[in-house]
Amino acid sequence: DTGVSQNPRHKITKRGQNVTFRCDPISEHNRLYWYRQTLGQGPEFLTYFQNEAQLEKSRLLSDRFSAERPKGSFSTLEIQRTEQGDSAMYLCASSRKRRGQETQYFGPGTRLLVL
Amino acid sequence: AQKVTQAQTEISVVEKEDVTLDCVYETRDTTYYLFWYKQPPSGELVFLIRRNSFDEQNEISGRYSWNFQKSTSSFNFTITASQVVDSAVYFCALSLYVGSYIPTFGRGTSLIVHP
Repeated sequence: DTGVSQNPRHKITKRGQNVTFRCDPISEHNRLYWYRQTLGQGPEFLTYFQNEAQLEKSRLLSDRFSAERPKGSFSTLEIQRTEQGDSAMYLCASSRKRRGQETQYFGPGTRLLVL
Repeated sequence: AQKVTQAQTEISVVEKEDVTLDCVYETRDTTYYLFWYKQPPSGELVFLIRRNSFDEQNEISGRYSWNFQKSTSSFNFTITASQVVDSAVYFCALSLYVGSYIPTFGRGTSLIVHP
């Protein structure tokens, strides 16, 4: 399997702009997760999809954050009206349940800097 | 609510030393899962191990070993004969299983192995 890929790897934007990140999961992985990681902290869960259904979104940080996975393959995470506090690494992971076990495989992340 | 504490912020050792990374967790649930992940400088989180709360058997995998003790709510990780390539940030995480894993991560321990 090729791994989880994320684009772009780095994004610099000005406060107030909208940004969109893309995640391509490992093929045949039906679950996809988004996390945020700030400096010196562990990843913080944001949301996850099973196929195209978003099953948990209560932990999205504010209504400025939204995620989609329209065809159950790649996913996008959008942040509207970015703030300096949104500067972080945004991680994507994918998984598939196999023989009752499930392991999340992480991508390299998109590092966002809001000026 | 779940909580994971990794009290060691940074550990520095010389190659071939053994090193133990501590993890203490809090949960009111009786069924839960514990994880260790490694995050090398490249940034991509790598899954190392998962244990469920009913399996306190300690595990050894090569130079890695894990000590799970429910009595002290700890899930410690030991690297034997450390190598420079072990240098990374190591995260402990706790998750219930609610159709999927939604882990709560600790803040991580940065391990630096000097040649």
